[in-house]
Amino acid sequence: EIVLTQSPGTLSLSPGERATLSCRASQSVSSSYLAWYQQKHGQAPRLLIYGASTRATGIPDRFSGSGSGTDFTLTISRLEPEDFAVYYCQQYGGSPRYTFGQGTNLEIK
Amino acid sequence: EVQLVESGGGLIQPGGSLRLSCAASGFTVSSSSMSWVRQAPGKGLEWVSLIYSGGNTYYADSVKGRFTLSRDNSKNTLYLQMNSLRADDTAVYHCARVMGGAVFDYWGQGTLVTVSS
Repeated sequence: EIVLTQSPGTLSLSPGERATLSCRASQSVSSSYLAWYQQKHGQAPRLLIYGASTRATGIPDRFSGSGSGTDFTLTISRLEPEDFAVYYCQQYGGSPRYTFGQGTNLEIK
Repeated sequence: EVQLVESGGGLIQPGGSLRLSCAASGFTVSSSSMSWVRQAPGKGLEWVSLIYSGGNTYYADSVKGRFTLSRDNSKNTLYLQMNSLRADDTAVYHCARVMGGAVFDYWGQGTLVTVSS
């Protein structure tokens, strides 16, 4: 089973700053099957990015995804107050099997 | 507008059974792949089960043999029958639509299942 490790566990930044979140896989993941989600407290997760770099419908262009193989990145170019949340990466490994990273908590500094 | 609304959660004793429902609107469940994903209190996300549009079902190893996923096409509703519940099944259970077999594009708010004596 592919394990996804996200770093950092907590990221403290201020509105207007740039956020860079990492997701590292224990073995190579097809870029087509790597996604990112945002979850605010008490809410359902929301799909942000799929196929490693394609924004989901309605997602602002300040969110971008990149990477391949075992290293993937979610970047938020200029943080807005509503962006402070927990972010998860997720991969589809066939069989079918789906695994999530443990999450990065993006908090206001 | 796509909406998913879960129900059926509650407090149940270890070894007990519970059936969760997920009522969908804005799309047809029988034409989609659907999943359940759970989240233990204060923890991350864990995939639980999947049903393809063709009806084949799949389960995480942690619930295989205890949980059964089904759907009622006439009600546009997904179900998760959970038997032999254990304390580590305690979680918020979300239903989600699966896009392209690989990602979860719409999620419900979830229903809380607490397994405790």
